[in-house]
Amino acid sequence: GAGVSQSPSNKVTEKGKDVELRCDPISGHTALYWYRQSLGQGLEFLIYFQGNSAPDKSGLPSDRFSAERTGGSVSTLTIQRTQQEDSAVYLCASSLGLAGYTQYFGPGTRLTVL
Amino acid sequence: EDKVVQSPLSLVVHEGDTVTLNCSYEVTNFRSLLWYKQEKKAPTFLFMLTSSGIEKKSGRLSSILDKKELFSILNITATQTGDSAVYLCAAYNNNDMRFGAGTRLTVKP
Repeated sequence: GAGVSQSPSNKVTEKGKDVELRCDPISGHTALYWYRQSLGQGLEFLIYFQGNSAPDKSGLPSDRFSAERTGGSVSTLTIQRTQQEDSAVYLCASSLGLAGYTQYFGPGTRLTVL
Repeated sequence: EDKVVQSPLSLVVHEGDTVTLNCSYEVTNFRSLLWYKQEKKAPTFLFMLTSSGIEKKSGRLSSILDKKELFSILNITATQTGDSAVYLCAAYNNNDMRFGAGTRLTVKP
């Protein structure tokens, strides 16, 4: 079946604007993860969902970041009042469950904040 | 099409065994290869390899990259039950990161 999809693939925005990034997980996957990949750095975990709930929001870098998941499927990551340091590739992944299930990653959204 | 292939998909060993996990890649404008350990939620970063033939070590884990043959291996010696996890490799270019499906390692007592 189809893999994890993300949209948009590229987003260029001006500092101070809000952006929304979307993730469509693999059908039937209950766990969904958001990560950030800055240039030359390792993967930075942001938040995960098990079903619709996000039990751990501690990875979000600031209160300008929020994420939601409705209907146990699509998730959106919202960044308010974007800053230049928010520029990165934002990756979404989904898996059948937590506790070591293989994660399948989407192609990412490249966010550039001017 | 860019791809990253890991093998084996799953592996069951006993404590004390040595394991070798494989990762082959075909990625345009390849820059570096990364290894992660996935236990519960977020993968834990292990290694970033950019240069060919230079082994990186961290305790019982080591990894090396072969840019000519386009593969990397992750070795774990004297395995422990705490090593049980999914190990992900990812190839990074200037644009994005392509992940393999992972190798699920189970270490039995």
